[in-house]
Amino acid sequence: DAGITQSPRYKITETGRQVTLMCHQTWSHSYMFWYRQDLGHGLRLIYYSAAADITDKGEVPDGYVVSRSKTENFPLTLESATRSQTSVYFCASSEQGSSYNSPLHFGNGTRLTVT
Amino acid sequence: GNSVTQMEGPVTLSEEAFLTINCTYTATGYPSLFWYVQYPGEGLQLLLKATKADDKGSNKGFEATYRKETTSFHLEKGSVQVSDSAVYFCALSDPAVGTYKYIFGTGTRLKVLA
Repeated sequence: DAGITQSPRYKITETGRQVTLMCHQTWSHSYMFWYRQDLGHGLRLIYYSAAADITDKGEVPDGYVVSRSKTENFPLTLESATRSQTSVYFCASSEQGSSYNSPLHFGNGTRLTVT
Repeated sequence: GNSVTQMEGPVTLSEEAFLTINCTYTATGYPSLFWYVQYPGEGLQLLLKATKADDKGSNKGFEATYRKETTSFHLEKGSVQVSDSAVYFCALSDPAVGTYKYIFGTGTRLKVLA
């Protein structure tokens, strides 16, 4: 089925470890986004990508790395996980981005716990 | 800057009650407005949208009208069901501020009792 798939759904990791969250979309949307959702902070943008090989920082990029070698994939890597990165992470895509009133389409999220 | 303000929750209603969740916004340009719904353990799903003043978005019995004069986009449903229990997010995108900037409200939790 078409849509956005995130994996894993749940992940527990230790402080200092590297972890990668995967995101795959089947629509060929140009824009892809990573958000984190925390109580009291709502949704915060980590990184976004306007096309393959084009990425840029959002509001809270520190400690995260992204890449986009193919249009359909947008992995998010925590280089050295910290407890403050315990959160629910959502990947989203948009056909043309916010300039053209395209809505966001979200995956089901990855719940990450850093111990 | 752009912002979205929605009513604090939780909102608790009995089944078949009328629902209103208030949303107001500030924007630099001419934004599009969205309502998203998040069920437990899931991502946000687009519920409805409106792209210009006086547009009415509707889906699954929910409606919202883009009111430029009051900068509002209130969500309504005439008769809620237990299955509508979820968190509802109002959001906007404003072409005047770039291609990646979606602004979300903090969410309103709705609980519908049988």
